[in-house]
Amino acid sequence: DAGVTQSPTHLIKTRGQQVTLRCSPKSGHDTVSWYQQALGQGPQFIFQYYEEEERQRGNFPDRFSGHQFPNYSSELNVNALLLGDSALYLCASSLAGGAGNEQFFGPGTRLTVL
Amino acid sequence: AQSVTQPDIHITVSEGASLELRCNYSYGATPYLFWYVQSPGQGLQLLLKYFSGDTLVQGIKGFEAEFKRSQSSFNLRKPSVHWSDAAEYFCAVGAREYGNKLVFGAGTILRVKS
Repeated sequence: DAGVTQSPTHLIKTRGQQVTLRCSPKSGHDTVSWYQQALGQGPQFIFQYYEEEERQRGNFPDRFSGHQFPNYSSELNVNALLLGDSALYLCASSLAGGAGNEQFFGPGTRLTVL
Repeated sequence: AQSVTQPDIHITVSEGASLELRCNYSYGATPYLFWYVQSPGQGLQLLLKYFSGDTLVQGIKGFEAEFKRSQSSFNLRKPSVHWSDAAEYFCAVGAREYGNKLVFGAGTILRVKS
């Protein structure tokens, strides 16, 4: 049983560009959350998708958007990249039902903005 | 506002010595509490979680944590540290009122000396 997978592993972009990160949830999971982990910090919640809709959003600008597909996989899009967007982006999957459900994390995508 | 504080950025312990990592939270709801571990280049792995009931919870790899409501703390402990425990440890809090969103502390880097 594959866990949460993310692609690509690493990515280098320049300021102003746009990027798309992808996530496949653990088998049987229907909820995907995205987190940003800047260097030396803990992960920060970006947003969560369930039933192909954004259900919750953290304190991130509209440049950050997402999508969930019918097979529960998800994409994170970031427009107009800034240097400060350089971070490890983590995807987590879970079953809908509240905070008691364990979130399984993928290995992350390391984004570098030059 | 929801917040998690891990007061120690770095901790160094000798192999075989006991370990305690501190975590304090501020949350406007009944919290669910988690400890995750992250090795370099890896995603987050759940060590243990507390939802309700017995305030001393056992996790994987010989870790345990104790929930103290009066102190708003959820400290992680291990009686005898192994060199393979060297990693970064994150405390996180969630609540049913906030869905599956997790709020993380800044992390504690554990170094193990032989």
